Amino acid sequence: AQSVTQPDIHITVSEGASLELRCNYSYGATPYLFWYVQSPGQGLQLLLKYFSGDTLVQGIKGFEAEFKRSQSSFNLRKPSVHWSDAAEYFCALGSNDYKLSFGAGTTVTVRA
Amino acid sequence: KAGVTQTPRYLIKTRGQQVTLSCSPISGHRSVSWYQQTPGQGLQFLFEYFSETQRNKGNFPGRFSGRQFSNSRSEMNVSTLELGDSALYLCASSGGDSWNTEAFFGQGTRLTVV
Repeated sequence: AQSVTQPDIHITVSEGASLELRCNYSYGATPYLFWYVQSPGQGLQLLLKYFSGDTLVQGIKGFEAEFKRSQSSFNLRKPSVHWSDAAEYFCALGSNDYKLSFGAGTTVTVRA
Repeated sequence: KAGVTQTPRYLIKTRGQQVTLSCSPISGHRSVSWYQQTPGQGLQFLFEYFSETQRNKGNFPGRFSGRQFSNSRSEMNVSTLELGDSALYLCASSGGDSWNTEAFFGQGTRLTVV
């Protein structure tokens, strides 16, 4: 069975500082990996995805993520955080049975 | 291009009632998935439909059901509502048959059971 773990429930970062959100997965086949962002009361917006190929993927809003098969990780990064990046972030794994398995989410607070 | 539309946005129902939620996918998308989001359990997969066929179902009781119509619009139904069914229900659509296309989410339906 597949699973996704986001070890950090809550992260606080200063505006302008860098951000890294951790994601580990467990899956027996080639993973399809995603990062989504959710603002309060809203749906999920896709930030980026990894299917194959280059292990460093670029997304929207200045985010990037690196896939490391040896560590079963897909960490999300942003070099300089803006106040508007405060939200909840979800890592997800797409499996061959047509479903997304989500991590528990990481809430990001940005302080001025 | 219109996004995924979920109606209604908010619902308040009484225990024991039933409810139907609707999802209109992005034009041309044939896959529709449903997820339940709660503070305690997070995001959990309910079911996925492709061309009117349910291809997978999550670990939910039989009170949760769904269907997809020929125009790809989907509905989910919850019968005999319980307080624990209070949640944000999210619908996602994608254009492909597999994960090489991304899933787009609607804004969700917030269901409150009292």
